[in-house]
Amino acid sequence: RKEVEQDPGPFNVPEGATVAFNCTYSNSASQSFFWYRQDCRKEPKLLMSVYSSGNEDGRFTAQLNRASQYISLLIRDSKLSDSATYLCVVNPGSSASKIIFGSGTRLSIRP
Amino acid sequence: GAVVSQHPSWVICKSGTSVKIECRSLDFQATTMFWYRQFPKQSLMLMATSNEGSKATYEQGVEKDKFLINHASLTLSTLTVTSAHPEDSSFYICSATRQGGTEAFFGQGTRLTVV
Repeated sequence: RKEVEQDPGPFNVPEGATVAFNCTYSNSASQSFFWYRQDCRKEPKLLMSVYSSGNEDGRFTAQLNRASQYISLLIRDSKLSDSATYLCVVNPGSSASKIIFGSGTRLSIRP
Repeated sequence: GAVVSQHPSWVICKSGTSVKIECRSLDFQATTMFWYRQFPKQSLMLMATSNEGSKATYEQGVEKDKFLINHASLTLSTLTVTSAHPEDSSFYICSATRQGGTEAFFGQGTRLTVV
């Protein structure tokens, strides 16, 4: 079993739709969780951290479920500019000793 | 956010030559840097963890004699692809974290093409 697993997609949704991604992780002792966004041929950029209580940033909502060992990302009112690959990132320790990336979920928003 | 600069952003080299890629943390000290490789339509794969002042830790399947990593200072790590072959053509990305931090800051990536 992979340490971090994501549905690779692609997700192809119309503009304005709501879309959700899930990501599961195998190490129950994992400490920190993030969602990164990567555009084609670019480096990943932090979208948002994921906190135990869940957190929201504009149209984006991230949730953490420690019992089931998954994190989720919800995008509301999707825009064309949201088209990208979304990477689930897990840090098993208290410092960035070995960050683990999921394989990424490709999202394509159509007009 | 913190800035990590990677150079060059792209390079084309002949098969058999060596290529050096630099990763610099511009506004913070990075005791640990990470080197990743990404093939088209695939995710980032960790190659090695670069520790300042000590030997790098390589992931399983990554040849340490082929991918030489040097982390001589708190702001600079280099990856040298030795005797490059066409199958080494890929997107190489470095990342660094602040001491005690958990967020990874990425360099812009280096697209290597070996012909």
